[in-house]
Amino acid sequence: KNEVEQSPQNLTAQEGEFITINCSYSVGISALHWLQQHPGGGIVSLFMLSSGKKKHGRLIATINIQEKHSSLHITASHPRDSAVYICAVPNTGNQFYFGTGTSLTVIP
Amino acid sequence: NAGVMQNPRHLVRRRGQEARLRCSPMKGHSHVYWYRQLPEEGLKFMVYLQKENIIDESGMPKERFSAEFPKEGPSILRIQQVVRGDSAAYFCASSTGTGGAETQYFGPGTRLLVL
Repeated sequence: KNEVEQSPQNLTAQEGEFITINCSYSVGISALHWLQQHPGGGIVSLFMLSSGKKKHGRLIATINIQEKHSSLHITASHPRDSAVYICAVPNTGNQFYFGTGTSLTVIP
Repeated sequence: NAGVMQNPRHLVRRRGQEARLRCSPMKGHSHVYWYRQLPEEGLKFMVYLQKENIIDESGMPKERFSAEFPKEGPSILRIQQVVRGDSAAYFCASSTGTGGAETQYFGPGTRLLVL
């Protein structure tokens, strides 16, 4: 079993739809990270959160520490949101455990 | 303020050659992480370095791979006697602090192809 599980693995949505990507983890953490990997391969850090909820534009990330679960939401999705979204969880050392990613395609 | 820089962006090597991948962290960042992304797989931690020190190399293959972050200059990931299975994207990230409680800023990656 992986330390970090993401779902769904692949997601296709119509432009404008509300999107949710889920991440469950089994390791203890100080903070959970959401990353975005563009089709060209570059990686951008979207959120780092250790409790509650964070919002940046149309992106919202939530975390429930007790349930070891986080969600990434995209409101009013747009084709430019098409990317792979990766959940990353640090262990008590310096390693990150990564989910396998959710590949999102938003169709115009 | 330049972001994390990696070079080369693409590197082609023949089996048995050496590959040197460079990473210049963001200004003011003294913590560097290297990750590998094999084709169709997720990111995997390789090594964590601070200036002149390897802090955690538990994700590095035991042979042929080494990393350094000298006092001056970029961090280097070195792969000796490359094999086809080393073909992957190698990402570097940097941060101001340690562990997972700091945002890591990723470089564009180096895509290594071993022929």
